[in-house]
Amino acid sequence: QKEVEQDPGPLSVPEGAIVSLNCTYSNSAFQYFMWYRQYSRKGPELLMYTYSSGNKEDGRFTAQVDKSSKYISLFIRDSQPSDSATYLCAMSTLFSGGYNKLIFGAGTRLAVHP
Amino acid sequence: GAGVSQTPSNKVTEKGKYVELRCDPISGHTALYWYRQSLGQGPEFLIYFQGTGAADDSGLPNDRFFAVRPEGSVSTLKIQRTERGDSAVYLCASSLNAGANNEQFFGPGTRLTVL
Repeated sequence: QKEVEQDPGPLSVPEGAIVSLNCTYSNSAFQYFMWYRQYSRKGPELLMYTYSSGNKEDGRFTAQVDKSSKYISLFIRDSQPSDSATYLCAMSTLFSGGYNKLIFGAGTRLAVHP
Repeated sequence: GAGVSQTPSNKVTEKGKYVELRCDPISGHTALYWYRQSLGQGPEFLIYFQGTGAADDSGLPNDRFFAVRPEGSVSTLKIQRTERGDSAVYLCASSLNAGANNEQFFGPGTRLTVL
């Protein structure tokens, strides 16, 4: 079993829809939770960052972390065709050397059609 | 300002050959990471450098893989005796310092194809 599980999709929604993306994980030591967006043939770019449990909102994006259920979510409101990309969840603990080894999910491909 | 750059963008090689992949991190970033992304998968950690030293190389799959960062800036990932299973996108990321609050900025990757 992988440490981080993410449904690969693909997910196809109409423009303006609310999108819900999710990941589950098994390592209770994870403290830092991130969502990255990756366009085709590009590197991942950080969308949202959350420490421990709770919600975080940034414009049309909301990230939720439920550590008791080992479950994280990303919601996209009023989705746009430009949101079409692969969304990767990532998480980490802080190692003794102070560095941050990211463990990624497989990514969910999202297509928003006009 | 310039982001993380990686060269070449694409590399096609034959089984058994040696390849070098280069990463230029953002200027001033002391932490550098290499990840490997296979088709349809998320990136997997390979190695982490703090300055010139490899602080964690636990993700390197075997001893055919080696990475250096001799001056604490540019890094090179070296793969000996390439195998078809090495085909993947190799991503480099840098951050200002180590630590969870330091965002990792990714380069566009080098797409390696081993025939």
